[in-house]
Amino acid sequence: AQSVTQPDIHITVSEGASLELRCNYSYGATPYLFWYVQSPGQGLQLLLKYFSGDTLVQGIKGFEAEFKRSQSSFNLRKPSVHWSDAAEYFCAVARKGKLTFGQGTILTVHP
Amino acid sequence: DAGVTQSPTHLIKTRGQQVTLRCSPKSGHDTVSWYQQALGQGPQFIFQYYEEEERQRGNFPDRFSGHQFPNYSSELNVNALLLGDSALYLCASSLNEGHAFFGQGTRLTVV
Repeated sequence: AQSVTQPDIHITVSEGASLELRCNYSYGATPYLFWYVQSPGQGLQLLLKYFSGDTLVQGIKGFEAEFKRSQSSFNLRKPSVHWSDAAEYFCAVARKGKLTFGQGTILTVHP
Repeated sequence: DAGVTQSPTHLIKTRGQQVTLRCSPKSGHDTVSWYQQALGQGPQFIFQYYEEEERQRGNFPDRFSGHQFPNYSSELNVNALLLGDSALYLCASSLNEGHAFFGQGTRLTVV
């Protein structure tokens, strides 16, 4: 069965600093991987996805993620964080349309 | 395009009661999935409907049931509500097993 681990429950960064959110997955075949963002009390917005091909994936809002099969990782990065990026971030793996999510990482941004 | 719409946005029910949540998929989508997100957790897959049939089911009891209508809209029903059913219920639609778009969710509180 697939699973996703997000090791960091809460991360705090200063505005303008770089960001990396970690995600490790367990899946028997080539995974379909996603990063979603959720503002308090809201639904999930897709940031980016990886299906195949180039292992560095560009998303919306200046985010990118790198798929590393050897490390079973799909870490999310942003070179310069904005105060509006404060939210909760979820990594997910899909199989036949069913998404399995990690526990989420809450991002706090200091001015 | 209205995207995925869910109703109601909030509701409060008493233990033992039954509840019905509704979801209208994004235009052109034929598959609806439901997720439960407890406070501080990642979303958990409940089930998925395609062509009016339940195609996949997560690890939820039979108290959770659903339906998909010919226009692809869907309902989630929960019987004999427990306090532990309090959560944000998210609906996601997709074109078959493609990328899922999420609604804003229904916040259910059981008292």
